[in-house]
Amino acid sequence: GAVVSQHPSWVICKSGTSVKIECRSLDFQATTMFWYRQFPKQSLMLMATSNEGSKATYEQGVEKDKFLINHASLTLSTLTVTSAHPEDSSFYICSAPGGSGTSGTKNIQYFGAGTRLSVL
Amino acid sequence: DAKTTQPTSMDCAEGRAANLPCNHSTISGNEYVYWYRQIHSQGPQYIIHGLKNNETNEMASLIITEDRKSSTLILPHATLRDTAVYYCIVERGSNYKLTFGKGTLLTVNP
Repeated sequence: GAVVSQHPSWVICKSGTSVKIECRSLDFQATTMFWYRQFPKQSLMLMATSNEGSKATYEQGVEKDKFLINHASLTLSTLTVTSAHPEDSSFYICSAPGGSGTSGTKNIQYFGAGTRLSVL
Repeated sequence: DAKTTQPTSMDCAEGRAANLPCNHSTISGNEYVYWYRQIHSQGPQYIIHGLKNNETNEMASLIITEDRKSSTLILPHATLRDTAVYYCIVERGSNYKLTFGKGTLLTVNP
């Protein structure tokens, strides 16, 4: 299957600093990518949809000025957590639809390995 | 809100078949059933999907009832590495966005 690479896998930062997470589709192009956040023992929560060449679409309750998304190319989306605080500590995961063929197959999502963010 | 209902947890003996149920009584005609799993501290992994017919691939089988209101994911010979949270997701093929429920924690025991 298609491969999505996410970097870094783990980051520790001081409160007030910004952290950038990269999500790359390695062997396919992705005009759309998704960013999720997962707190311990909870399910994945969609934060935003990243659109190549246009603004990201944020889910209700997600601060767009705090979580900056840039989808500069067909293979790269970045999530920047600005002025991070301890409550932003979480597991951040990206995904991209990488299937082809029928409608259902096109929506098969391939996920990165995730980035664990710890804000001190 | 998730459109599916799954048991919170299940146990299975290693080497036996694991049958994971999912209820999706409000599924629409153009919605697919997708199954993903998430091994601890990793990103989710696609397993299988279907619309109406039963499906099988190298990982699992998907049985969808005739009325499409429920489905079962079958891992034919569970191994310890199949211990994970399994998510059943109902979504239109063209929408792309996936809404994750709480899933089922499958524990495969030696």
